[in-house]
This record gives sequence, C-alpha cells and structure tokens, in this order.
Amino acid sequence: KAGVTQTPRYLIKTRGQQVTLSCSPISGHRSVSWYQQTPGQGLQFLFEYFSETQRNKGNFPGRFSGRQFSNSRSEMNVSTLELGDSALYLCASSQAAGDYGYTFGSGTRLTVV
Amino acid sequence: GEDVEQSLFLSVREGDSSVINCTYTDSSSTYLYWYKQEPGAGLQLLTYIFSNMDMKQDQRLTVLLNKKDKHLSLRIADTQTGDSAIYFCAETPYSGAGSYQLTFGKGTKLSVIP
Repeated sequence: KAGVTQTPRYLIKTRGQQVTLSCSPISGHRSVSWYQQTPGQGLQFLFEYFSETQRNKGNFPGRFSGRQFSNSRSEMNVSTLELGDSALYLCASSQAAGDYGYTFGSGTRLTVV
Repeated sequence: GEDVEQSLFLSVREGDSSVINCTYTDSSSTYLYWYKQEPGAGLQLLTYIFSNMDMKQDQRLTVLLNKKDKHLSLRIADTQTGDSAIYFCAETPYSGAGSYQLTFGKGTKLSVIP
C-alpha cells in the first residue's frame, strides 16, 4: 500500500514568487491536512480538507491557500513568497478527520531566497 | 501559550530505558499521539492511545496516560542508537465542522549514547 506522496521534495524560490506543492494521500483516505514545520515555531496546522471542502484553517495569512480534488489529492499554494515561508511542509492523510490513522508524507522542503 | 509541552532534550545510554513526558491541555482529544522524526524525514506515527485508556504497550513502547493531570508519557525499553530522533507528542482538539487538527509539542530530541 503506497504511503502519502509529496512532490517535489525540495524547492528553491525567490521572494515574491509563488509556489504550488502537491500531496497524494493513501488510497481510500479522504482527509488531507497540511502542516508547516520551522525551527522557531515548530509544527503548525495550515488547513484540512475533506471531500474537496476546506473544513478548518490555521492562523496563516491569506497568501496560503489550498484545494482538494475529487480523487482526494491536494495542493497548497503560497503566493508572494517571503523569507519566513522557508520551511518543511508536511501533508497528512487519514480516512476521516479525527480517525487515529494520521499518516504523514516525507514533506517538501521549501527554501525562499 | 503552549498547548502541548515537552522537555526539549533527553540523553540516555544504549540499553537503558527512555521516558519522554508531555503535558497537554485539550481534555476532549479522542486520541493522543507520539510521532518520531528522523533528520530530513517526515513524521512517523509511533503509537497512539485512546483517551479512555490508561496504558498501552506495543513491543518496546509503553504509553501512559493520566487524564486527571493531562500527562502523557512514552517509555522506550532497551533504547538503541536507532531510536535517536525527535519525538513529538500531539493532541487532537475538535475544531468544529467535523474537523480535527493535530496540535504538537515542540518535540523532545532523544540522543542515545553508545
């Protein structure tokens, strides 16, 4: 059974650019959540999608957005990148939110220069 | 303020037991989790405990839950050098609209001395 797949693994972008990250959940999992990990702030919740609907959003500016497709794959987008957006972005999937089976991908390491 | 608190560092000798402690705030969390993160990697689910349990054992791992004090601990028996990693405790507060989110502590860096 394939795990959670995140692409790309590494990205380098320039300030002001935008970026799109992709997450393919485990087959059959309908809930996809995104987290940002930085040395200073630790792991912070970005948003959660279930059946193509955003059900919850963390305390991040509107530059951070996401969506989920009918096959449960999800993308997140960050516009007008800032240096502080440099982080490891992690995606987690579960059969349903609140289920015990949160499985994480390996993450996308974004560096903004 | 911090919702989930953990000590930042723990150092143990190979073969000894490691105990990583965590305090949380959300008494409604259905599950509480321990995740492991190795350098350059994502988060690996180590174990979880259902909120109506006091203890869960899974091979070398023992989780203890004290709901009254909102205290969670992870014991690793016979700690090996491969256990060196950062360990995160997480609670799952309900956020409404059927949504939950993992709220993590800052992580405890476990160093195993050969």
